[in-house]
Amino acid sequence: GAVVSQHPSWVICKSGTSVKIECRSLDFQATTMFWYRQFPKQSLMLMATSNEGSKATYEQGVEKDKFLINHASLTLSTLTVTSAHPEDSSFYICSATPGVYGYTFGSGTRLTVV
Amino acid sequence: GNSVTQMEGPVTLSEEAFLTINCTYTATGYPSLFWYVQYPGEGLQLLLKATKADDKGSNKGFEATYRKETTSFHLEKGSVQVSDSAVYFCALSDSGGGADGLTFGKGTHLIIQP
Repeated sequence: GAVVSQHPSWVICKSGTSVKIECRSLDFQATTMFWYRQFPKQSLMLMATSNEGSKATYEQGVEKDKFLINHASLTLSTLTVTSAHPEDSSFYICSATPGVYGYTFGSGTRLTVV
Repeated sequence: GNSVTQMEGPVTLSEEAFLTINCTYTATGYPSLFWYVQYPGEGLQLLLKATKADDKGSNKGFEATYRKETTSFHLEKGSVQVSDSAVYFCALSDSGGGADGLTFGKGTHLIIQP
């Protein structure tokens, strides 16, 4: 149980286009989901907290207009990278909490902007 | 703000060797502490956790004890296997209950040689 599915697992897009990444909780409801970014050989950095039915909370330094987050249902949060540029290339990972003291992670999305 | 510091890698050991990966943290209040493991090409998996001082988390032969006096949560295993080769992340959460995102260390790449 407590599975978080992330799609796609990898995507290549052209500079200037937008890319949407989906994060689904398969067997539990998640009022809160988290989006992280991981640079090569570096740690995961929390980008934003996604709240079902309300606006996301972004960490300092994260451009909310570039990284649009929508959490329209209790099982789905989406991250849209708008007008992507090569510097947005990274590994994006979502996470949700199925219960107390637990965080379950998706398998991540490798974004390459060319 | 919160921060997690863990030893830089890569750490290379022979099979059956004793493993210690150091982790120290800075946080206000009483955070929950976690160790996550990331195998090549995969997402993060929870390895173990501890939610209060002196708690010991354990799983798959790995152990870590929450030491408030030294603000540490070092990961240990008595006899490592080749299959333990992965990247290990120490992390903390202010809430522990999933309301807040995690603060991660930079990760330690562990390589076990046969």
